[in-house]
Amino acid sequence: AQKVTQAQTEISVVEKEDVTLDCVYETRDTTYYLFWYKQPPSGELVFLIRRNSFDEQNEISGRYSWNFQKSTSSFNFTITASQVVDSAVYFCALRGSNYKLTFGKGTLLTVNP
Amino acid sequence: SQTIHQWPATLVQPVGSPLSLECTVEGTSNPNLYWYRQAAGRGLQLLFYSVGIGQISSEVPQNLSASRPQDRQFILSSKKLLLSDSGFYLCAWGSGGAGYNEQFFGPGTRLTVL
Repeated sequence: AQKVTQAQTEISVVEKEDVTLDCVYETRDTTYYLFWYKQPPSGELVFLIRRNSFDEQNEISGRYSWNFQKSTSSFNFTITASQVVDSAVYFCALRGSNYKLTFGKGTLLTVNP
Repeated sequence: SQTIHQWPATLVQPVGSPLSLECTVEGTSNPNLYWYRQAAGRGLQLLFYSVGIGQISSEVPQNLSASRPQDRQFILSSKKLLLSDSGFYLCAWGSGGAGYNEQFFGPGTRLTVL
């Protein structure tokens, strides 16, 4: 069975602070894919990134960066210099050998001005 | 480019009434299609997925059903709604086959059952 744990239910920061959202996963598949999605107040889930299990390179996209560590089964997401527009619920998800995504319960990030 | 549409955006229905939510995808062919429900508390629950016309897999037994009458059309239905069916319903599509399969989500339908 697959499982994704986002231990942080809510995080509140002040604008310009850096913030890291944690994601820990469990799977028995040797090939799998990890994802992050953003859900702003409008409700639509926005795809942010996909990472394959055989590629442990970290990735940076603007103020966003992702740290994938197979040894600890973690795929953490860092926002540098946070902005109010970053306020949203962020979901980590895992796909193994089938078509289905397993989502974590999400982390509500509030960035205060 | 691909787009995914859902309608209606919001719906208020009485208990016991029928339900039909529609999802269509443009700009791709033979997608995998998914229905999720997000209840209060944020968790996303996969309800149904489909890898082709007429092929539906159910994840959670309940009073909902899904159909895929056309390649890019996915419908969520109920004959009699329950209070517990209230929630935010999201349709998603992903590339068919065994590809990397990130899923792209529609704008969602907020359903309130009274």
